[in-house]
Amino acid sequence: DGGITQSPKYLFRKEGQNVTLSCEQNLNHDAMYWYRQDPGQGLRLIYYSQIVNDFQKGDIAEGYSVSREKKESFPLTVTSAQKNPTAFYLCASSALNQPQHFGDGTRLSIL
Amino acid sequence: RKEVEQDPGPFNVPEGATVAFNCTYSNSASQSFFWYRQDCRKEPKLLMSVYSSGNEDGRFTAQLNRASQYISLLIRDSKLSDSATYLCVVRVNSGYSTLTFGKGTMLLVSP
Repeated sequence: DGGITQSPKYLFRKEGQNVTLSCEQNLNHDAMYWYRQDPGQGLRLIYYSQIVNDFQKGDIAEGYSVSREKKESFPLTVTSAQKNPTAFYLCASSALNQPQHFGDGTRLSIL
Repeated sequence: RKEVEQDPGPFNVPEGATVAFNCTYSNSASQSFFWYRQDCRKEPKLLMSVYSSGNEDGRFTAQLNRASQYISLLIRDSKLSDSATYLCVVRVNSGYSTLTFGKGTMLLVSP
């Protein structure tokens, strides 16, 4: 089945630890996006990539890093510099001029 | 002024009722408009795109008023399964440009 796969579904981070969230898509979409959603809040854009080996900061990139070495994959690293990482993280992808479609998300919590 | 504004609700309606949500956007250059549905603790899913002439998909009708910069969603004959948060989403440019999400309007349909 075509789709966007995020893993893990739940993730716990210790103080000072970097963690990486996986996002893979087999839809052949050029663009991929990472969002963060806090309770009662709208989605906020962290990073996005329109082409392999290129990515741009979104509205809240501080404390996060990404890579786009393959078209299918856009992993997000939550670094120790992100002081409030507890949130629901959503990955999305899209084709040109088309709506974005989302993976089922990763819930990150602090231990 | 927030970029995309929605009444957070909740809208409580009985089964079979008709309910309408509005959304306003601040950027007059916005080009594409969407309604997404998000169930509790799940990812957003595309409900429908919104076209200038208005469009309908079964029980759902979307309208766009560019002059007043608002978008509406009408749900007829509400079902229990329609209970969710409805996100108004705007894209300023074409191509792979990023989306701006409203915080959502919660709908609760009761028996």
